[in-house]
Parts: sequence; structure tokens; C-alpha cells
Amino acid sequence: GESVGLHLPTLSVQEGDNSIINCAYSNSASDYFIWYKQESGKGPQFIIDIRSNMDKRQGQRVTVLLNKTVKHLSLQIAATQPGDSAVYFCAEKDFGNEKLTFGTGTRLTIIP
Amino acid sequence: SAVISQKPSRDICQRGTSLTIQCQVDSQVTMMFWYRQQPGQSLTLIATANQGSEATYESGFVIDKFPISRPNLTFSTLTVSNMSPEDSSIYLCSALGGAGELFFGEGSRLTVL
Repeated sequence: GESVGLHLPTLSVQEGDNSIINCAYSNSASDYFIWYKQESGKGPQFIIDIRSNMDKRQGQRVTVLLNKTVKHLSLQIAATQPGDSAVYFCAEKDFGNEKLTFGTGTRLTIIP
Repeated sequence: SAVISQKPSRDICQRGTSLTIQCQVDSQVTMMFWYRQQPGQSLTLIATANQGSEATYESGFVIDKFPISRPNLTFSTLTVSNMSPEDSSIYLCSALGGAGELFFGEGSRLTVL
């Protein structure tokens, strides 16, 4: 089946710096993408989403970029804080299908 | 956003036994799903819990092993039957929000001895 993958399994960033987490997807029919944050011992927490008719969407300290041409998704976190340390998952679904397919996850560690 | 409560939050079970996980959503939702997350891995969809009808299972998951109930629009259960150590995992309940986003419970961490 279609897969969603991440380029890097781990990422370490100095506190206060910006971080970028990347995700590649293979399903050209995907029209909705979500980024989740999962802290240790907790369930995934919705961060931000984007639909395929958009290239960029901003939230509080987070920005998601979508490049449909190369099937690439990224999550940018500005001015990282210790609380940003977690595993981040991208997920996608295609039109008419409510099931989400998850990527493998990137562990982000913020260095004090 | 929907608030999803799962119980138990964790349990240690003996091989060959079965455990039922309950999931309660604080509002009516059209769709609920059950995911499994094995240690250090991503989330894998087990099934879609359909209200009033049999669940829809993904490839590799069967009803005899993972029976699911959904008696109404706010509640669902997942049973892990005849457990083996390979079933040690986090089981996550999720619900579809009004804008298409998926919300998750905190998960039920099962350890099978």
C-alpha cells in the first residue's frame, strides 16, 4: 500500500533555535495531512493540519509546508523550547477515505 | 476538539487471557478508530469501529483476535483476545473531529507475560 516516510529518525536542536522535521509521502491522491506530537507515555496530540489546496499553514510557533510536486511535507517549529522534545509523526489521508496513514516518526530532542 | 478517555491506562496480563479496553468520547462522533503502537514504532490502524454494525478490519487484523464493539456514538471497546507477548503494545482509540482531524486518547499500555 501507500506509505508515508520520514527522512530522519532523530533530530537534536539547541533550545531557542528553529527546527525542521521532514516527511515524504507516496500517495499522490493524498489531500489532507496532519502533524502530531507524541510525548513519552501519552497519546498523539494534534499540532497542525493542511489540505492539498494549500502550500503553507501557520499556527502558534509552528508552520507546515506542503510541496505536492515532490510529495514532501515539513513541520517548522520556531524558537524551540524544552517542552517541544517529543516524537513527531506526519499522517495523511486521501479524499473520501477517513483512515490516516502514519509515518515512522522523528524524535526531536531540545538541547538546553 | 474531542476529549477521549481510555481505560485501563495500563495493564499487565497473563498469556492466554483476554482484556477489554474501553474508550469514551465526550461528544458524539461519526467515526472511531483503534490503532496499535508497538514499542518505538509508529501507529498502525487495527480497525474502524462502526456504530451499529461490525467493525471494518485492516489487513493483518481479524475480528476473532480483536473484537470491537460500538454501541453508540460516544463509546467503543476493543478486546485483545488470547494474548501472547507479541500483543504487548499501546492500543489507542481515536475519533474523527468535525473538521476531519483525528483526536487520540492517551492509550492503553498492555504488557503480556
